Amino acid sequence: GQQVMQIPQYQHVQEGEDFTTYCNSSTTLSNIQWYKQRPGGHPVFLIQLVKSGEVKKQKRLTFQFGEAKKNSSLHITATQTTDVGTYFCAENMTTDSWGKLQFGAGTQVVVTP
Amino acid sequence: DAGITQSPRHKVTETGTPVTLRCHQTENHRYMYWYRQDPGHGLRLIHYSYGVKDTDKGEVSDGYSVSRSKTEDFLLTLESATSSQTSVYFCAISEFGGGAVQEQFFGPGTRLTVL
Repeated sequence: GQQVMQIPQYQHVQEGEDFTTYCNSSTTLSNIQWYKQRPGGHPVFLIQLVKSGEVKKQKRLTFQFGEAKKNSSLHITATQTTDVGTYFCAENMTTDSWGKLQFGAGTQVVVTP
Repeated sequence: DAGITQSPRHKVTETGTPVTLRCHQTENHRYMYWYRQDPGHGLRLIHYSYGVKDTDKGEVSDGYSVSRSKTEDFLLTLESATSSQTSVYFCAISEFGGGAVQEQFFGPGTRLTVL
């Protein structure tokens, strides 16, 4: 079945630095969603990308969908301690319409003050 | 946060015993999902429901069954728990809008330990 690969698996960032996490698929995605999970918490929806080449921003977070709709990225500028957590991308499976998502393994982000 | 509760929040049980986890929502959303989360695997779909009494298998459904007799409740049953089912279980809900199923809202999770 379809699989999304997330890299890196771990990201250790100094506070104030920028970093990017990537989500790659071998097949064309219908759309992609991003979620954030704080330590000990539950996943929380961040954003959905639908269009080829789409770019969306949420304050210091910039989400991009590749032109070929096979990859996506999340870029965080000026990292803060509140950015700690695991970021998941999830692809919407195209073979049915029941909203099933295939999650990547996530990028665990640790921020050093 | 969306109105989703899971019970119990923590459970320790022994191998071979049956276990039922409950997900309850107050949002009247049509779609409900059960995931398990293990280190290095992200979230993996166990079963999902697209309406009352309408359920289907996800990618890791072996050893699990589900039931949905009411819109608000989605039950996950481990018929005979095994140590490999030690995990954190999340329930999620979503709704249809704008021509597509929208984002998923997750419950707080249930930490299950099978000894």
